[in-house]
Amino acid sequence: DAGVIQSPRHEVTEMGQEVTLRCKPISGHNSLFWYRQTMMRGLELLIYFNNNVPIDDSGMPEDRFSAKMPNASFSTLKIQPSEPRDSAVYFCASSLVGGQGSYEQYFGPGTRLTVT
Amino acid sequence: ELKVEQNPLFLSMQEGKNYTIYCNYSTTSDRLYWYRQDPGKSLESLFVLLSNGAVKQEGRLMASLDTKARLSTLHITAAVHDLSATYFCAPSPQYGNKLVFGAGTILRVKS
Repeated sequence: DAGVIQSPRHEVTEMGQEVTLRCKPISGHNSLFWYRQTMMRGLELLIYFNNNVPIDDSGMPEDRFSAKMPNASFSTLKIQPSEPRDSAVYFCASSLVGGQGSYEQYFGPGTRLTVT
Repeated sequence: ELKVEQNPLFLSMQEGKNYTIYCNYSTTSDRLYWYRQDPGKSLESLFVLLSNGAVKQEGRLMASLDTKARLSTLHITAAVHDLSATYFCAPSPQYGNKLVFGAGTILRVKS
């Protein structure tokens, strides 16, 4: 299996621009998570989906952030407009929950976002 | 709300020594995970602990879970330089799918 795939791996953008991060979960997994990691705040859960439905978005910082999961194999995290304080590494993770699933989360390689 | 406390946050140890990282959490949890992160890399799953008293071992690392005490430990035996990394514990709130990550323990093993 290819594992969780994220793109782009690096993104440098100017303040005010729209940024879209993409994630392809592991085939067969039914939950998808978006995290943000910074030195100051550590690893924060932004939002997670079960069977393509957003379940908990309490970690989304503000209205500038939005996430979608149009199907089981693709999710996006959009920031519009971006600000320098959004600079961080954004991770996507997927897991199989329910039934025989272990709920173990498998992380993608991350997208390093720099907003200047 | 589930809160997680790891200690120590930074650990510098000599090769060959033993040490334990502690993970305390504030509310009931029935599952706990340990992850490793190398600098600039993603998180790698180390252990999945699914029940009270669970103990898992892989090489020089051993993890345990005491759900009554709300405590998990990661024990390092005869440390080697390759174990240098940041280690995170992540319990899951009961009946929930998400994980709550601790702040991480930065481990540096000196030759």
